[in-house]
Amino acid sequence: DVKVTQSSRYLVKRTGEKVFLECVQDMDHENMFWYRQDPGLGLRLIYFSYDVKMKEKGDIPEGYSVSREKKERFSLILESASTNQTSMYLCASSSHFGRALNTEAFFGQGTRLTVV
Amino acid sequence: AQSVTQLGSHVSVSEGALVLLRCNYSSSVPPYLFWYVQYPNQGLQLLLKYTSAATLVKGINGFEAEFKKSETSFHLTKPSAHMSDAAEYFCAVSPLTGANSKLTFGKGITLSVRP
Repeated sequence: DVKVTQSSRYLVKRTGEKVFLECVQDMDHENMFWYRQDPGLGLRLIYFSYDVKMKEKGDIPEGYSVSREKKERFSLILESASTNQTSMYLCASSSHFGRALNTEAFFGQGTRLTVV
Repeated sequence: AQSVTQLGSHVSVSEGALVLLRCNYSSSVPPYLFWYVQYPNQGLQLLLKYTSAATLVKGINGFEAEFKKSETSFHLTKPSAHMSDAAEYFCAVSPLTGANSKLTFGKGITLSVRP
């Protein structure tokens, strides 16, 4: 069974802390994504990666960075957490042919981050 | 730029009633279209997808959607709602081609099912 695993379901961090959200997939997918989900706003893409060590900004990259050192792992980093980054964070992965990113995406369970 | 519009944020139906969740897309050419479902405290799960084959697409759990190019719509339906269908539903779009094309999601619709 395909699997995308996020390291934490719930996290509480303090303002100014550096926060790492980890995501691992076991499907040998090339593409990986980080979204944040907020009520009434749907899912908004933060960053995505279509290959190891490759990354591209999504729609709301400000305040975030990412790392993809291995194909199966994609990390989201909040350099200095702020209260407006309190949200649900969803990781996803998908395969691709060429560099198309429009195949089915598989999602992790999500990490609910609270910044106090 | 492509986008999807899901009208309304909440739909409530009685158990056994028809479910209709609306999705309209904006794209210069017919895109790929997806419906995802999110049950409470879980990630998103694919219900069905349109990839330019048949316009009527059948998905899991008795859901189906019809692609209508003339109306730029991809509405999700189910003939008879079940209590277990209560969840949040997202429509998503991506272009057929293009390097670095990606999924764009709508804002989601919460479906409630009354006994």
